[in-house]
Amino acid sequence: QKEVEQNSGPLSVPEGAIASLNCTYSDRVSQSFFWYRQYSGKSPELIMSIYSNGDKEDGRFTAQLNKASQYVSLLIRDSQPSDSATYLCAVDNAGNMLTFGGGTRLMVKP
Amino acid sequence: EAGVVQSPRYKIIEKKQPVAFWCNPISGHNTLYWYLQNLGQGPELLIRYENEEAVDDSQLPKDRFSAERLKGVDSTLKIQPAELGDSAVYLCASSLGRQGSYEQYFGPGTRLTVT
Repeated sequence: QKEVEQNSGPLSVPEGAIASLNCTYSDRVSQSFFWYRQYSGKSPELIMSIYSNGDKEDGRFTAQLNKASQYVSLLIRDSQPSDSATYLCAVDNAGNMLTFGGGTRLMVKP
Repeated sequence: EAGVVQSPRYKIIEKKQPVAFWCNPISGHNTLYWYLQNLGQGPELLIRYENEEAVDDSQLPKDRFSAERLKGVDSTLKIQPAELGDSAVYLCASSLGRQGSYEQYFGPGTRLTVT
């Protein structure tokens, strides 16, 4: 069973702080990794993709990948109340097939 | 560019009734996915299409669920008969697939309630 694990949270951070969201996966052959944001009652929205070890930055978001440790994370700098949502980690194991984690609920308090 | 379109957005039916969901993917996206999402969980893949071919339907409960993607564009997912446990959000997603990126983009979903 290929698994993707996330802490369900909620993760509570004050406005302006850095939010750190973590994800571990079990399948060593995984090649592609994605972060989705899902607001309550809405569908998942792709915010970051990462394919190689290291960091990838896009605005206030940074994705970090460590394939040796089977670990991927998402950092959100200068967190805003509008960032409050559930963040889903997704791993592509076999080319074009995603396995999702259960999501981490983030709460950014003004 | 228009996103993935799904209809209906909401559906309430009684158990044992049939129901169908429709999806129109992003233009040019050859790969189409149907997911099921229960409250508090991540989406779970039901079926994946490459053009009109179902290439992975191992998670689709074939005794009551069926899907089709005629002409490799729009897709329909059907449940017959529906059970109480089928209440969930049904999400459609699409990607360029082998022709480009594997990034998947989701439609707004259909929230199904079976009473």
